[in-house]
Amino acid sequence: EVQLVESGGGLVQPGGSLRLSCAASGFIFSGYAINWVRQAPGKGLEWVSGIRGGRGDPYLADSVKGRFTVSRDNSKNTVYLQMNSLRAEDTAVYYCAKSESTGSGSYPFDPWGQGTLVTVSS
Amino acid sequence: SYELTQSPSVSVSPGQTASITCSGDRLGNKNVCWYQQRSGRSPVVVIYRDSKRPSGIPERFSGSNSGNTATLTISGTQAMDEADYYCQAWDSSTAIFGGGTKLTVL
Repeated sequence: EVQLVESGGGLVQPGGSLRLSCAASGFIFSGYAINWVRQAPGKGLEWVSGIRGGRGDPYLADSVKGRFTVSRDNSKNTVYLQMNSLRAEDTAVYYCAKSESTGSGSYPFDPWGQGTLVTVSS
Repeated sequence: SYELTQSPSVSVSPGQTASITCSGDRLGNKNVCWYQQRSGRSPVVVIYRDSKRPSGIPERFSGSNSGNTATLTISGTQAMDEADYYCQAWDSSTAIFGGGTKLTVL
């Protein structure tokens, strides 16, 4: 069974940093992309980042470019989202989701993890 | 930047057909996915590549995409279909989500 488990969320002050992890199991991790999608409280879905399988080409939404980076460790079946210079508007549940590829195309995000809550507040 | 527009809410009676639309500039030239998010749960894909249904998704879910509008159709809607539905497409290396449509089954 394919499973994705996010961790690393929590309360952080504005301007602070946090690193989220997405641990995967049940598939050949290195061959697939992993995406991060967030959902602010009571709001809709917003794609944040994706990283391809293989050499791991990264993609970032304009709203987080220059502040967030995404990376993967295929030996640990884990993708990381490093979030710096956090703002109140980054407060959201962050989901990771698997796809065949990312950055373009027709591949759905499937499945999704259970999400981890990030709260940016003083 | 590219935008996908959805109506905020749609209501349907049990057993009837629900249609949820998603509009965007020349959306018919893109591949559209639809996600269902039940209250308090993670999203689940119900349609991908405009009209393909993943294994495990009931046949009552179908999709189409032409011109500037993609449509998710739920035939014989059931109470368990009450959820938020989001369309999604790619533009300029960015995944774009519609604002979501709350489907109420009453």
